[in-house]
Amino acid sequence: DTGVSQNPRHKITKRGQNVTFRCDPISEHNRLYWYRQTLGQGPEFLTYFQNEAQLEKSRLLSDRFSAERPKGSFSTLEIQRTEQGDSAMYLCAISGENNYGYTFGSGTRLTVV
Amino acid sequence: AQKITQTQPGMFVQEKEAVTLDCTYDTSDQSYGLFWYKQPSSGEMIFLIYQGSYDEQNATEGRYSLNFQKARKSANLVISASQLGDSAMYFCAMREGGIGGFKTIFGAGTRLFVKA
Repeated sequence: DTGVSQNPRHKITKRGQNVTFRCDPISEHNRLYWYRQTLGQGPEFLTYFQNEAQLEKSRLLSDRFSAERPKGSFSTLEIQRTEQGDSAMYLCAISGENNYGYTFGSGTRLTVV
Repeated sequence: AQKITQTQPGMFVQEKEAVTLDCTYDTSDQSYGLFWYKQPSSGEMIFLIYQGSYDEQNATEGRYSLNFQKARKSANLVISASQLGDSAMYFCAMREGGIGGFKTIFGAGTRLFVKA
């Protein structure tokens, strides 16, 4: 139990389809992050929420990507019109005000065929 | 711009020996935090250790220590008494603004193999 639950664990989709991932922190944390990790690379920052406010979006997050955190608890990441280049592990992480490191979820592995 | 460099794609170490994983960073900020994470083959990222830019002492957490050399902009991870379970990918990371900052950038990682 990592403190962050991500669903689904794996998703295979056809190019052009929309997908949505969910991140559920087990307890309240005001900071929530989405990262993307491709094979052989470190995680890349996508976006960050302070409570329900989305405060920063990476340029990696094209207009096909949207993230929400409607009540400051769980978060969703949606990718519209998926492309093969979207294939990656999508990681959700949380931190509190006094937490030094992130607590990561197990990730959602997306494969676009 | 922030940058993290890990120059060792892979490292081998004999069980029970110590190993150093290299990390250099680049930032123009005075306040920043440095982190190491472990990612076993199961895929989960595990936070190991943190060093603040103003911390004068090197951080230690059990068998992990961070060799912080500010002038050289290096933050090497030392694992003492390696165990087979230490075999994993290790990522160095940096957050500008220290713990008050929000965006962390990661290096490309070093894969550690512990030999029995």
